[in-house]
Amino acid sequence: QKEVEQNSGPLSVPEGAIASLNCTYSDRGSQSFFWYRQYSGKSPELIMSIYSNGDKEDGRFTAQLNKASQYVSLLIRDSQPSDSATYLCAVNERANFNKFYFGSGTKLNVKP
Amino acid sequence: SQTIHQWPATLVQPVGSPLSLECTVEGTSNPNLYWYRQAAGRGLQLLFYSVGIGQISSEVPQNLSASRPQDRQFILSSKKLLLSDSGFYLCAWSAFPGGSNQPQHFGDGTRLSIL
Repeated sequence: QKEVEQNSGPLSVPEGAIASLNCTYSDRGSQSFFWYRQYSGKSPELIMSIYSNGDKEDGRFTAQLNKASQYVSLLIRDSQPSDSATYLCAVNERANFNKFYFGSGTKLNVKP
Repeated sequence: SQTIHQWPATLVQPVGSPLSLECTVEGTSNPNLYWYRQAAGRGLQLLFYSVGIGQISSEVPQNLSASRPQDRQFILSSKKLLLSDSGFYLCAWSAFPGGSNQPQHFGDGTRLSIL
């Protein structure tokens, strides 16, 4: 069984700070990595994807991937109370890239 | 642009009753389709996925079944619901042929409560 591990949190940061969310995965051959944001009672929403080692920036969000360490992270700069949500890490399976494995999510609280 | 519709938004069913949840995608052809279940405070559990009409892969043995009668329609069914079937059911799609870089996009979900 492929695993995607995330700290469940909650991670509390003050407004304006950088929030750092981490995810590790067990399938060394995984090719694609995604971050989803899920507000309470809502469905997951794609916010970032990353496929190559290194950093990928999109507005206030930066995804970081290190395939050697099987580690992917999401940084949220200038955190806002509206960023308070659960962040899900998703990793595709090497043998069947149609299949994703999701972590259980990290709950982020941004305090005004 | 592509949109995904899922209904109903909420459903309350007695134990032992049947279930039918429907999902349709617009604006794309031959999508990969997925059904997930999310228990309260938990991650997403993949139930079924489909890469084409009539092609269903089951991930978890259970009393649920899925069907894809049309290219952009995915149905989740049960003949007799169990208490353990309660949860948040999510339909998702991704582009085909996907390669390894296609993300999944989710519908609004159905919150199912079994009494």
